[in-house]
Amino acid sequence: SAVISQKPSRDICQRGTSLTIQCQVDSQVTMMFWYRQQPGQSLTLIATANQGSEATYESGFVIDKFPISRPNLTFSTLTVSNMSPEDSSIYLCSVSAGQDTGELFFGEGSRLTVL
Amino acid sequence: GNSVTQMEGPVTLSEEAFLTINCTYTATGYPSLFWYVQYPGEGLQLLLKATKADDKGSNKGFEATYRKETTSFHLEKGSVQVSDSAVYFCALSAYSGYSTLTFGKGTMLLVSP
Repeated sequence: SAVISQKPSRDICQRGTSLTIQCQVDSQVTMMFWYRQQPGQSLTLIATANQGSEATYESGFVIDKFPISRPNLTFSTLTVSNMSPEDSSIYLCSVSAGQDTGELFFGEGSRLTVL
Repeated sequence: GNSVTQMEGPVTLSEEAFLTINCTYTATGYPSLFWYVQYPGEGLQLLLKATKADDKGSNKGFEATYRKETTSFHLEKGSVQVSDSAVYFCALSAYSGYSTLTFGKGTMLLVSP
């Protein structure tokens, strides 16, 4: 299994500001995935981050709002830009458990509250 | 597209009661199916999985059987404990070069002593 650490674990942010969430994995992985879990809702995939290439965004998510960095095989960041109260969510980093398994390991999540 | 539908919660049970949380899915091809659990204040953890039709996943007394004919993956436990109180997510993975998960909305389970 992979151990995934996210920082911050929670934060309270002001409207219009930006926050960067860090994700560190204890092993090298090709792909990292960022999910959003809005209050009372399911998890929605924001984007897939490959090391050395641009992230691939899902429908409804754009790079200007959620820029992602993937500088090496163990680290990624997700920035939530120009935040509004609608961005209040838990943001989760995940990695694949192995090719063809379909299983993902998740970090504990970063709970953001935007006032 | 792929989708997962699970019963709405919260599901409230007394300790030692029988649990069923329904999950049905829509997918092209032959997805793998998962149940994830999120305990209060914690991240998601894999509870069990099944990768092909008629497979039964099991863990910690929980079971779910992959039913292709009814496109279902219902979660069951014969005797729940207070410590089982959590949110349970049904999910599917349709591999297409890499795996991403499609989740249901989650079902909160509350078990009282």
